[in-house]
Amino acid sequence: DQQVKQNSPSLSVQEGRISILNCDYTNSMFDYFLWYKKYPAEGPTFLISISSIKDKNEDGRFTVFLNKSAKHLSLHIVPSQPGDSAVYFCAASEDAGGTSYGKLTFGQGTILTVHP
Amino acid sequence: NAGVMQNPRHLVRRRGQEARLRCSPMKGHSHVYWYRQLPEEGLKFMVYLQKENIIDESGMPKERFSAEFPKEGPSILRIQQVVRGDSAAYFCASSKGANYGYTFGSGTRLTVV
Repeated sequence: DQQVKQNSPSLSVQEGRISILNCDYTNSMFDYFLWYKKYPAEGPTFLISISSIKDKNEDGRFTVFLNKSAKHLSLHIVPSQPGDSAVYFCAASEDAGGTSYGKLTFGQGTILTVHP
Repeated sequence: NAGVMQNPRHLVRRRGQEARLRCSPMKGHSHVYWYRQLPEEGLKFMVYLQKENIIDESGMPKERFSAEFPKEGPSILRIQQVVRGDSAAYFCASSKGANYGYTFGSGTRLTVV
């Protein structure tokens, strides 16, 4: 039972353009969402998060949007840079409080390639 | 300030042997999480530990797998009588507490031959 789904295994974008990575979830108890970036042979590194009480959170080139009614979130990267090429994982937590990083449920990941 | 240290980075075991994976959390972190990533899949939660306590082991297979986080020393994920299906990347993460962000280690890649 895949509670967090990233339906696009890969995405290819030109440098300078916008990258949009999508994530859907089925568990309505999830109340905190995170995006991680992962390079080969390394552990995931935290990028940005959003609480279910918000619909948008922005940090530099990265913006996460949350549509609770559609159970959908997306990560926008603009402008995209070649160094952004990595695997991006969406993750969700169902712990109460809005800021809990308890047990995380991850999506399968999307491989982003940014071409110079 | 060193990050989360996992060792070994690569581990090869024959079927039936035991695998021990170690995780030293960041300084000041008393919460440890273990995740497993099978090929072509996302990370799957295994277990959440605090010092000397298992808080949530809902993701641990019922047999052959165990985890501990002693008062002194690293957290250990132990897999007894390994099978080929145990081949995966095992990631450890640590945090100051359940309401704080994780930092992941670089993982241990277990190959069972």
